[in-house]
Amino acid sequence: QKEVEQNSGPLSVPEGAIASLNCTYSDRGSQSFFWYRQYSGKSPELIMFIYSNGDKEDGRFTAQLNKASQYVSLLIRDSQPSDSATYLCAARGAGGTSYGKLTFGQGTILTVHP
Amino acid sequence: EPEVTQTPSHQVTQMGQEVILRCVPISNHLYFYWYRQILGQKVEFLVSFYNNEISEKSEIFDDQFSVERPDGSNFTLKIRSTKLEDSAMYFCASNGQGEAFFGQGTRLTVV
Repeated sequence: QKEVEQNSGPLSVPEGAIASLNCTYSDRGSQSFFWYRQYSGKSPELIMFIYSNGDKEDGRFTAQLNKASQYVSLLIRDSQPSDSATYLCAARGAGGTSYGKLTFGQGTILTVHP
Repeated sequence: EPEVTQTPSHQVTQMGQEVILRCVPISNHLYFYWYRQILGQKVEFLVSFYNNEISEKSEIFDDQFSVERPDGSNFTLKIRSTKLEDSAMYFCASNGQGEAFFGQGTRLTVV
């Protein structure tokens, strides 16, 4: 069973701090990884994706990928109360296509308190 | 900005009834998906669809489920005989260049 694991949290950080969200995956063949944000009762909203080892920055968000350790993370700088949500890590199934299914982790609940 | 739209937003049905969930993917996307999320659980893949046929399906997607693209815009998920355990949020997604974008979901409640 190919799994994506996340700490369910909740993770609580003060406003303005850095929130660090972590994810591990079991399928070494996974090639691409996605971070989604999900507000309660709503659909997953794509934040960013990463394919290559190292860091990828987009505004206040930085995704990090370490394929050797099968580890993906998301850093949120200058956290805001509006960032409070569940963050979903997803891995694209092995197979080499850009269109394969996503396997999701259970999500980490983030609370940013003023 | 283009988006995936789903209807209805909420559907209540009696156990054993058939339901059809509808989706309009982003217009230039070619890959379509259905996922579901039971309350408090992970988002789970059901099926992917490309070029008018299923490209992959999960163990959940048994004979009770079917998908169709009846015209150039709609993509539907049919559940033939609903069970209580089919109660969940059902998300449609489409993929154009490698990233999947999700619709707002249909909350299906089977009573």
